[in-house]
Amino acid sequence: QKEVEQNSGPLSVPEGAIASLNCTYSDRGSQSFFWYRQYSGKSPELIMFIYSNGDKEDGRFTAQLNKASQYVSLLIRDSQPSDSATYLCAVILLNAGGTSYGKLTFGQGTILTVHP
Amino acid sequence: EADIYQTPRYLVIGTGKKITLECSQTMGHDKMYWYQQDPGMELHLIHYSYGVNSTEKGDLSSESTVSRIRTEHFPLTLESARPSHTSQYLCASSITGNEQFFGPGTRLTVL
Repeated sequence: QKEVEQNSGPLSVPEGAIASLNCTYSDRGSQSFFWYRQYSGKSPELIMFIYSNGDKEDGRFTAQLNKASQYVSLLIRDSQPSDSATYLCAVILLNAGGTSYGKLTFGQGTILTVHP
Repeated sequence: EADIYQTPRYLVIGTGKKITLECSQTMGHDKMYWYQQDPGMELHLIHYSYGVNSTEKGDLSSESTVSRIRTEHFPLTLESARPSHTSQYLCASSITGNEQFFGPGTRLTVL
């Protein structure tokens, strides 16, 4: 079982719709969760991070975390063609002292296509 | 936008050559990382550093080596390049070890 799993897609949504991207992780010790956006041929760009159960909103993006079920999701409201990219879920584990190992484990990414 | 730079952006080189991929950041971040990513695949951590004179191997075995003599500089070296080293190499830095910011990457092709 992979440590971080995402549906590779592609996920296709019409412009203006809500895109829902999901990610599950295997390590219950995971404490920090990140969503990166990666355009084709470019490097990943951090768009959201979430550390506590519940929702976190930033503009059109909402990250949702459920540690009991070990999943994290990203909702993109009012999707635009410019949102078309690969979305990478990443998790990080804290050591016993509560500080971060700083080692991100990435999922394979979900390809999102927003069509006009 | 993070101030992290990588050179060269693209490199095509023959088998057996020694290469150094440069990574520099101007943010004073202590933590720096090297990832490797093949097309359509996930990123894999190959090296990381928590500060000057600190280097560790990552989760993916790599024949490359790194050094950290200055905070802002984290070069990656391949002593003898092979076609299996063809990939994209991404450098990242972080102040906390949590939010990591990536450079533009170096796309390496070994013939």
